[in-house]
Amino acid sequence: DAGVTQSPTHLIKTRGQQVTLRCSPKSGHDTVSWYQQALGQGPQFIFQYYEEEERQRGNFPDRFSGHQFPNYSSELNVNALLLGDSALYLCASSYPLGSDGYTFGSGTRLTVV
Amino acid sequence: AQSVTQPDIHITVSEGASLELRCNYSYGATPYLFWYVQSPGQGLQLLLKYFSGDTLVQGIKGFEAEFKRSQSSFNLRKPSVHWSDAAEYFCAVGVDSNYQLIWGAGTKLIIKP
Repeated sequence: DAGVTQSPTHLIKTRGQQVTLRCSPKSGHDTVSWYQQALGQGPQFIFQYYEEEERQRGNFPDRFSGHQFPNYSSELNVNALLLGDSALYLCASSYPLGSDGYTFGSGTRLTVV
Repeated sequence: AQSVTQPDIHITVSEGASLELRCNYSYGATPYLFWYVQSPGQGLQLLLKYFSGDTLVQGIKGFEAEFKRSQSSFNLRKPSVHWSDAAEYFCAVGVDSNYQLIWGAGTKLIIKP
C-alpha cells in the first residue's frame, strides 16, 4: 500500500528563485495538506486542498500557493524564495475532515542559499 | 489563542523503563488530539489519536495516551521503552473541524542503554 509520496527529497535553490514541490496522496485519500517544519520546531500549517480547491490557509504569505489535480495529487509553489523558507516541507493526506488521522510523507528538504 | 505545549524539550530514559511525555493544549472547542513520532530525516508517523469516546487510547508500538479534559492534557505513555523508540515525539490538536493541526514543539526522547 503506497503511502504519501513526495518529490524531490532534497532541493537547493537560490534566493529569489521559485520552487515547486509535489505530493501524491495515500491511496483512497482525497484531501492534501501542506506543512512547513523549520529545524527544531513543530510543523506549521500552510494550506489544505480538497476537491481541487484551497479549503483553508494558515498564516503564510501569498508567495506560497498550491494546486490539487483531479487525481488528488498536489503541488506546493513558493515564489521569490527567502533564506527563511529553508525547511522541511511535509505533505499529509487524509479523508475529508481527517477522520482517520493524517498520513505524512517523508518530506522535501528545501535549502535556500 | 489555540496552542499546544510540550514542556519537555528532551527526556532521557533507560531502556526498559517506563515513559510519560506531557502535552497540554489550549482550544475552546472539543479537541481532536494526536501523537506523532518523527525519526531523523523522516516524516511523521501517527502513533494514536483521540476524537471521542474512551479517554484512554491505545496506539501502535505499545503506546497509549489519556485525554483529561479537566487538565487540558493528552499525555503519552509506554510501560517499557526500547532503544528503537528514540525519536522526536509531537503532540497535535486538530482545530477548525480538524482541517488543520496545531503542533507542539516536540520532545526528543533519548534512550540510555
